[in-house]
Amino acid sequence: DVVLTQTPPTLSATIGQSVSISCRSSQSLLHSNGNTYLNWLLQRPGQPPQLLIYLVSRLESGVPNRFSGSGSGTDFTLKISGVEAEDLGVYYCVQSTHAPWTFGGGTKLELK
Amino acid sequence: QVTLKESGPGILQPSQTLSLTCSFSGFSLSTYGMCVGWIRQSSGKGLEWLANIWWNDDKYYNPSLKNRLTISKDTSNNQAFLKITNMDTADTATYYCARNWAFDYWGQGVMVTVSS
Repeated sequence: DVVLTQTPPTLSATIGQSVSISCRSSQSLLHSNGNTYLNWLLQRPGQPPQLLIYLVSRLESGVPNRFSGSGSGTDFTLKISGVEAEDLGVYYCVQSTHAPWTFGGGTKLELK
Repeated sequence: QVTLKESGPGILQPSQTLSLTCSFSGFSLSTYGMCVGWIRQSSGKGLEWLANIWWNDDKYYNPSLKNRLTISKDTSNNQAFLKITNMDTADTATYYCARNWAFDYWGQGVMVTVSS
């Protein structure tokens, strides 16, 4: 199974600060069809996860453009350019290139 | 507008079979490329993908639970189903259904407690 390792596990930030979360895969997430099925989700307290970024860097409709994704192969990054209060919660990367689909362990974004 | 909603028994005893239903609207599981999956989350823990079913009835399971899982669908009624046999206290979790490989829409989840 593909193992996704997220760092850091916890991130403390002030409002307006820019932060990055890393997601490293145990194997390449490049699919034979040329797509890389690496997505980012945010789970706010008491809520189901919501999609932020899909296919590494594509912003889901309605998601603020302070969120951006980058990377390739095995190394991926989610960046938040100017944290806002509504961004607090747990961020997960998830891969759907290889079965079984797997999630990273999560990164909890807290206010400093 | 895409919505998904999970339903299930809430509580069951060890060794029983869990039956979950995902009722959805705003899309069809007969559409090429569409799929619905099941994911669970134990209290305070991370997310675990369980299974998904595709528009063409292809099914994929998490090998760690494969022998216990059965996923199915009723395209006419816009529903997907998951059965998990031989439930244990370790299966206590919130169970979600979600759309597609991008997990672009989620239900609110249904909490399932396994207790004697």
